[in-house]
Amino acid sequence: SQTIHQWPATLVQPVGSPLSLECTVEGTSNPNLYWYRQAAGRGLQLLFYSVGIGQISSEVPQNLSASRPQDRQFILSSKKLLLSDSGFYLCAWSDPSLAGETQYFGPGTRLLVL
Amino acid sequence: GENVEQHPSTLSVQEGDSAVIKCTYSDSASNYFPWYKQELGKRPQLIIDIRSNVGEKKDQRIAVTLNKTAKHFSLHITETQPEDSAVYFCAASSQTGANNLFFGTGTRLTVIP
Repeated sequence: SQTIHQWPATLVQPVGSPLSLECTVEGTSNPNLYWYRQAAGRGLQLLFYSVGIGQISSEVPQNLSASRPQDRQFILSSKKLLLSDSGFYLCAWSDPSLAGETQYFGPGTRLLVL
Repeated sequence: GENVEQHPSTLSVQEGDSAVIKCTYSDSASNYFPWYKQELGKRPQLIIDIRSNVGEKKDQRIAVTLNKTAKHFSLHITETQPEDSAVYFCAASSQTGANNLFFGTGTRLTVIP
């Protein structure tokens, strides 16, 4: 069966500091991968998605970036965090070989920028 | 691109009553409609989904209906229980290469014991 991991689970960072969040998927090959951000009490905002190694598409302009160095690894980064970067960051995967488009979410990283 | 609207934003029901959440979408090419439940502090989890070739799907107390002509779909929860309290998100997908989902803004359901 497939599992998706994210770490760290929680993170408190000062404004202006760098960020690196990691997501890995097990039990599947060549998944589509996604990063979402959820502000407190709000909906899901798609930040980036990737259909393969080194292939990243950005949905919104921001000071964040994403990379996919390996097939089942997706990394979200920032050089300098802003207060507005606080939120719940969710990684998700889907299987492009299936007819369905179901996305499965990781446990999330709760980020607080002070 | 696709635009998904979801109503209501909050919903309170008495335990045992039914709850209905409605969503509309704009892209007639969308053909997959999942529903997610997110409990406080947890990840969204898929609870039911429907494809455009069917009009209704049921799984125990949960059902989803789809009206392609009107471009709207709904989640129905019967015999609600306190553990049904959560935020529910609808989504639509037009089956692009990246399988992107377009989410509604969420409905906070509270089931009052």
